[in-house]
Amino acid sequence: DVVMTQSPLSLPVTLGQPASISCRSSQSLVYTDGKIYLNWYQQRPGESPRRLIYKVSDRDSGVPDRFSGSGSDTDFTLRISRVEAEDVGLYYCMQGTHWPYTFGQGTKLEIK
Amino acid sequence: VQIRESGGGLVKPGGSLRLSCEASGFPFSDYYMTWIRQTPEKGLEWLAYISGSGSTISYVDSVKGRFTVSRDNARNSVFLQMDSLRVEDTAVYYCARSPPWSRAADHWGQGTLVTVSS
Repeated sequence: DVVMTQSPLSLPVTLGQPASISCRSSQSLVYTDGKIYLNWYQQRPGESPRRLIYKVSDRDSGVPDRFSGSGSDTDFTLRISRVEAEDVGLYYCMQGTHWPYTFGQGTKLEIK
Repeated sequence: VQIRESGGGLVKPGGSLRLSCEASGFPFSDYYMTWIRQTPEKGLEWLAYISGSGSTISYVDSVKGRFTVSRDNARNSVFLQMDSLRVEDTAVYYCARSPPWSRAADHWGQGTLVTVSS
C-alpha cells in the first residue's frame, strides 16, 4: 500500500500568519491518465472530514482562497496564507491513485 | 447534498452488524459511494467503494471476505454488511460520495460509531 507521510504532526500557528503542511508518498501518484489524485481534507473538532483540495491544487466549492495546494510526483504541500480561528483542526492528505486509497496520519493545527 | 449513516452500536467479537447510508440532494445512481472508518490509533482507512450501478466493488484487504458493500438506487441507499467483527474494527464509520472518475470522496456523512467488545 502507498504510505502517506505528513509533517509536521503538530502545527501551532499565530492568527494571521501562514501555515504549511507537507505530505510525501511512498511512490509516484501519477495515474495512468497522467493526473495526480492527491487530496487534502480538513476535520474540525467534532465534525466529519471536509475536502478542501483535489487533484493537487483544485479547490473545492466554498473553500476560501487562502487555502492552496501544490506539488508533484511524491511531494505535496498544503498552504494556508493567513490562518484564521476557524482553521483549527486536523488536516489529512489522501491519495486516490493506487488502490487501496490511503490517508496521511494527520496534522493538528492549533492557534499559538 | 445530505448523507446520513445509521446502524452503529455495540457488538461482540465474531458478531455482525449492518450499516445503512441514505443520501439525497444529488443523482444517487450516478455516483460511486464509499465507506471509510476512523480510529484515534490508526486514523482514516478507506474500506470499500461501489460504483453507481453496483457492478464495480473494491475492498481493502483488512475487510475483504468479512465486509460486503451493496446499494439500492431506488432507495438512494448504500449498505455495509459487517461479519466476523473483531475488536480492531471498533471505529467511527463514514459513508461518503465519490464523483465518477474523481478517485476521492467529496461529501461525507456524520459517521456512526461501531464498538466491538465482549
